[in-house]
Amino acid sequence: KAGVTQTPRYLIKTRGQQVTLSCSPISGHRSVSWYQQTPGQGLQFLFEYFSETQRNKGNFPGRFSGRQFSNSRSEMNVSTLELGDSALYLCASSLTSGVAYEQYFGPGTRLTVT
Amino acid sequence: AQTVTQSQPEMSVQEAETVTLSCTYDTSESDYYLFWYKQPPSRQMILVIRQEAYKQQNATENRFSVNFQKAAKSFSLKISDSQLGDAAMYFCAYRSPNTGNQFYFGTGTSLTVIP
Repeated sequence: KAGVTQTPRYLIKTRGQQVTLSCSPISGHRSVSWYQQTPGQGLQFLFEYFSETQRNKGNFPGRFSGRQFSNSRSEMNVSTLELGDSALYLCASSLTSGVAYEQYFGPGTRLTVT
Repeated sequence: AQTVTQSQPEMSVQEAETVTLSCTYDTSESDYYLFWYKQPPSRQMILVIRQEAYKQQNATENRFSVNFQKAAKSFSLKISDSQLGDAAMYFCAYRSPNTGNQFYFGTGTSLTVIP
């Protein structure tokens, strides 16, 4: 079974632009979560989607948004990019939304904002 | 809010030796899960081991075991017979039903394995 895939793997954007990252979960998984990883702040939760609905949201500004499609693929969008948005963005999928269910992480998208 | 603390930014171990990574957490909840994740240089996070708070028995997975001290809110990872492939960043994480199932991660411990 294929793992979680994220595209693109690397991205360079200019401050003020917007960006869309994509995450394809493991086949059959319906929950997708997104995390931001930076050297200074570590891993921080962005949001979780389950069956096309946002279930939970972390403490990030409204510039960060996401959505999930009927095939469980998820996208996250960052508008008006800032230098501080440079990070590794990880998504994780699980069979369903529930603490007992293991989350499987993708390889991440490395976003650099210049 | 839940906090997870890893006080050892870096650790090293000789190949075939044993190393213990420390993790403490702060919570007022009684139902939660604790995890250790490994992130090799390729960046894909891999689950190493997990512990349900209601289970008194410490979890083990081959060479990996935990020492879960619920009252002390401590959750350390012991790696026995360390191998070169164990070199990675290790993250301790907390998750509970009351927090929307999101992970709270520690800042990580970078483990170096010396041949």
